[in-house]
Amino acid sequence: NAGVTQTPKFQVLKTGQSMTLQCAQDMNHEYMSWYRQDPGMGLRLIHYSVGAGITDQGEVPNGYNVSRSTTEDFPLRLLSAAPSQTSVYFCASSIGVHYGYTFGSGTRLTVV
Amino acid sequence: DAKTTQPTSMDCAEGRAANLPCNHSTISGNEYVYWYRQIHSQGPQYIIHGLKNNETNEMASLIITEDRKSSTLILPHATLRDTAVYYCIVRVGGSQGNLIFGKGTKLSVKP
Repeated sequence: NAGVTQTPKFQVLKTGQSMTLQCAQDMNHEYMSWYRQDPGMGLRLIHYSVGAGITDQGEVPNGYNVSRSTTEDFPLRLLSAAPSQTSVYFCASSIGVHYGYTFGSGTRLTVV
Repeated sequence: DAKTTQPTSMDCAEGRAANLPCNHSTISGNEYVYWYRQIHSQGPQYIIHGLKNNETNEMASLIITEDRKSSTLILPHATLRDTAVYYCIVRVGGSQGNLIFGKGTKLSVKP
């Protein structure tokens, strides 16, 4: 039981490049979310999903796309990276609305 | 989702109980109180949650006032490893519900 697995752990991108942050969970959780955390700040919700095929925007969705084709995977795509997207990204999953979320260990992204 | 207010920082002596307060005076009847913590730069860790009854698990106890306008997270015997930022989150259930993190309380456990 690996929990929530995020890859890669570290990434450096050039401005304008695109990439996909991977998130996978093996707990059969319906709910999955992406957060970003900037220095000295709390986590901010980017996108979330309440099941395969269903996604919705969070607090800061601009510049990011998501899709949920399977229960296990919830990738986050950066369409055209900008320095403002330099951050630590966390993926999380939960079995349901009234249960706690399990978080991954994060992806540290730097855009130069 | 209701707004929460937490102290910016707190200290606690190792081995003593740590009591972390949270004010959520605008909470509505279908909103739960969740507590998470984040140790250094790791991913947040779920601690406990409740609706109106007090709750206890292997990590902590959650005390919610009768009017539900405030709550206290209790770590009964704090250790140095409990040094972290603690987030109190009020969240509505249903498909639109999700976690909105504030700035939390930085708890420092001192020897």
